[in-house]
Amino acid sequence: AQTVTQSQPEMSVQEAETVTLSCTYDTSENNYYLFWYKQPPSRQMILVIRQEAYKQQNATENRFSVNFQKAAKSFSLKISDSQLGDTAMYFCAFTNGGATNKLIFGTGTLLAVQP
Amino acid sequence: DVKVTQSSRYLVKRTGEKVFLECVQDMDHENMFWYRQDPGLGLRLIYFSYDVKMKEKGDIPEGYSVSREKKERFSLILESASTNQTSMYLCASSFGQGSFRVEAFFGQGTRLTVV
Repeated sequence: AQTVTQSQPEMSVQEAETVTLSCTYDTSENNYYLFWYKQPPSRQMILVIRQEAYKQQNATENRFSVNFQKAAKSFSLKISDSQLGDTAMYFCAFTNGGATNKLIFGTGTLLAVQP
Repeated sequence: DVKVTQSSRYLVKRTGEKVFLECVQDMDHENMFWYRQDPGLGLRLIYFSYDVKMKEKGDIPEGYSVSREKKERFSLILESASTNQTSMYLCASSFGQGSFRVEAFFGQGTRLTVV
C-alpha cells in the first residue's frame, strides 16, 4: 500500500526567507503523480504544484519549486521569498493515476510566516 | 474554474441522527471523494466513486455510506451520528483514468459537530 509521510508537523519562517517542507512516500509503482496542496486558514484546499514521476525535471510554479528524488522517494517543497499569505497547512499527496486517481495524503505541515 | 460545492459549512447534529452531507461538482469529473480531516491525522479517505452508482471503500468507511445517483453529485451519509464523527469533511473530484489532469479539486469543507 502507498503511504505518504510528512515528518514536520509545524514550521516557521521569516517573511522574505526560504523554507523547505519535507515529504517522503512509499510505493511499488513506477508511474505516479505527486502534489503539494495548500490549505489556508479559510479551509479551501488548493493545488500548489504537481510532479509526474516520469519527468526528471523538477516542477516549478513561481516561488514554489520541488526537489523530486525518485530513487529516495522524496518530494520536498521549497518556498522562496516567503509571504504572509503563504501561512497555511501544506499537504503532500500521491496518486498512481489509475482507474480511480485515489489521492493519498500525508498528515500535513503547518507553516507560519512571521513578519 | 472548477467548482466543488458542499451544501453546508457548519452543521450541528445530535447523537443518533441520520446526517446527509452533499457535494456537487460542475466539471463533469468521473471521480468523487469524501475525506475526513482531523488534526495530526491529515486527510483520510472515507469513500470514493469512479462512476455513477459505483463506489469503493476508503480507509475509514465504518459508520458511513455514500450515494452517487448522478455524475455531478456525491452524498456522504452518517447512518447514526456519533460524537467520534465530529470532524471536518472534505469533498473532492477529479478526472478519471486516461486523463492527463489527475489533480483533485476540493470543496470548502463541512465542519460537523455531533452533540
